[in-house]
Amino acid sequence: SQKIEQNSEALNIQEGKTATLTCNYTNYSPAYLQWYRQDPGRGPVFLLLIRENEKEKRKERLKVTFDTTLKQSLFHITASQPADSATYLCALASGGYNKLIFGAGTRLAVHP
Amino acid sequence: DAGVIQSPRHEVTEMGQEVTLRCKPISGHNSLFWYRQTMMRGLELLIYFNNNVPIDDSGMPEDRFSAKMPNASFSTLKIQPSEPRDSAVYFCASSPTSYNYGYTFGSGTRLTVV
Repeated sequence: SQKIEQNSEALNIQEGKTATLTCNYTNYSPAYLQWYRQDPGRGPVFLLLIRENEKEKRKERLKVTFDTTLKQSLFHITASQPADSATYLCALASGGYNKLIFGAGTRLAVHP
Repeated sequence: DAGVIQSPRHEVTEMGQEVTLRCKPISGHNSLFWYRQTMMRGLELLIYFNNNVPIDDSGMPEDRFSAKMPNASFSTLKIQPSEPRDSAVYFCASSPTSYNYGYTFGSGTRLTVV
């Protein structure tokens, strides 16, 4: 069956360090993958999109990699700040019409 | 643009009552999605529309759930009759049809069925 796995345990890191979140998937062949941020009581907010033929994408302090052989995406936040504390969701395109299936998310806590 | 607008923000209803959730997508976005989020199951896709036409409703839990999109600027998700297990946060999202864009989510409707 199709599955998207993100670390269910919270990731706790010190301010200034690089946070690395993992998204693994099985039985998918996504054309692209997206990452979202969700704060408590709010809807998810789109951060980055990476296509299957792209290895890496950057936006400011964010970097995403996409390895279709390993079926894995890594999401990095460099020079992390307490304001980066949130839940981060990966999402895979499944089927046509830009349909996204979301992982359960990983909660990141950045401590001063 | 005001973004995706959902109403109400909170809804508390008794079991057996009809509940209607509303969504106004971003103007110009061709695709609209309804998701449900719970602690146990995360974000689940219920149904999505493209150009006002329902494309895939395989995520709709059962016949008690129905969704409509009568025009490009409005969609509803209806639950009739509601049950306690329907309690969740319901999100509406919209996007351009192109694969180059992410979704814009609304703030959600927190539904509690007692």
